[in-house]
Amino acid sequence: ELKVEQNPLFLSMQEGKNYTIYCNYSTTSDRLYWYRQDPGKSLESLFVLLSNGAVKQEGRLMASLDTKARLSTLHITAAVHDLSATYFCAVDSGGSNYKLTFGKGTLLTVNP
Amino acid sequence: NAGVTQTPKFRVLKTGQSMTLLCAQDMNHEYMYWYRQDPGMGLRLIHYSVGEGTTAKGEVPDGYNVSRLKKQNFLLGLESAAPSQTSVYFCASSTPPGRGRETQYFGPGTRLLVL
Repeated sequence: ELKVEQNPLFLSMQEGKNYTIYCNYSTTSDRLYWYRQDPGKSLESLFVLLSNGAVKQEGRLMASLDTKARLSTLHITAAVHDLSATYFCAVDSGGSNYKLTFGKGTLLTVNP
Repeated sequence: NAGVTQTPKFRVLKTGQSMTLLCAQDMNHEYMYWYRQDPGMGLRLIHYSVGEGTTAKGEVPDGYNVSRLKKQNFLLGLESAAPSQTSVYFCASSTPPGRGRETQYFGPGTRLLVL
């Protein structure tokens, strides 16, 4: 059974600081996704990582995937208040059914 | 395009009542999914469908049934609601892996309270 662990689950940052969210998963997969959720809203796709060594960047966020270590990171550079949200990683368990197993999410709060 | 829509947005049920949640997508996606989101639990897959007329169980299927009679619609039914089914329900759709943009597109959610 695929297990996905995110840490930290809660992260309070100051504006302008850098930090990394980690996503570990338990079985082999080379397809990992990051989503953002604002309070009371739906999930928005941020990054799609489909191979070992994949790196994607958008604005102050950068995501990477190491399939051998079964680890993905979401790095936040010079945080701003608008990045406050819950971030989820999700891993495809493989096969043709495209089933995702989600981590519990990281609640990020960026303080002035 | 409206993307993925869900009906209703909010519902209160009494224990034992039944209801159906409707998900519709206008992106011609083959795959559709139902998740529930509970505090501190992330999203958990209830049922999914890889095509019209097909459904399969996910991680937490007990107490729910689904139907996919049309490609664009995916219905989630609660036959006898229980307080443990109080949750936010999200529908999602996607193309199969390897085709199109590889991500699941989520609807706005349905908040269900079972008293």
